[in-house]
Amino acid sequence: SQQGEEDPQALSIQEGENATMNCSYKTSINNLQWYRQNSGRGLVHLILIRSNEREKHSGRLRVTLDTSKKSSSLLITASRAADTASYFCATANYGGSQGNLIFGKGTKLSVKP
Amino acid sequence: DARVTQTPRHKVTEMGQEVTMRCQPILGHNTVFWYRQTMMQGLELLAYFRNRAPLDDSGMPKDRFSAEMPDATLATLKIQPSEPRDSAVYFCASGTGEGGETQYFGPGTRLLVL
Repeated sequence: SQQGEEDPQALSIQEGENATMNCSYKTSINNLQWYRQNSGRGLVHLILIRSNEREKHSGRLRVTLDTSKKSSSLLITASRAADTASYFCATANYGGSQGNLIFGKGTKLSVKP
Repeated sequence: DARVTQTPRHKVTEMGQEVTMRCQPILGHNTVFWYRQTMMQGLELLAYFRNRAPLDDSGMPKDRFSAEMPDATLATLKIQPSEPRDSAVYFCASGTGEGGETQYFGPGTRLLVL
């Protein structure tokens, strides 16, 4: 069953602009992760934020987590054409699922040069 | 550069044939996940193992799918008999077994059942 739901489903921006993707989930979590998938490839882990953290940075990526609203956002600053990919959020709930992740359906980001 | 490997990368077969997909997890990882990805359903967890023991295979159609870990360096996913609706990309991922940990994905097996 889907836990995370990304919004928007698709996003098209110009190179240099910022891209913001949102993820909402339903049940309590231990951590939330963001992954990227280039066309025809496997998913690549980008960043993990724990339930007791509110914000995390990694290079041009900024992730926020609001557990009261059960939502997270991924911001990519100064986007590049190479950022074109699908982005997925995944939630982990250790107790309920013994540690597997539940993935959303993804946001398809297109960055035009 | 440690990575998850999967074979074959592409497979075209006819309905009714057996399909076997293989995965080699990252050395030292003790958790292996199998996913199926389609446009309609997105990424679905089929089964996962920890220390070679199946923890959850509730996402897998039991009548035709089976997953095993003959040893710590090999995980297999079999479909017998295959059906056109099994056409999808099948991903294997591995993790360190900490529970809700980062998963490292292989490149996938793209399966087409005619």
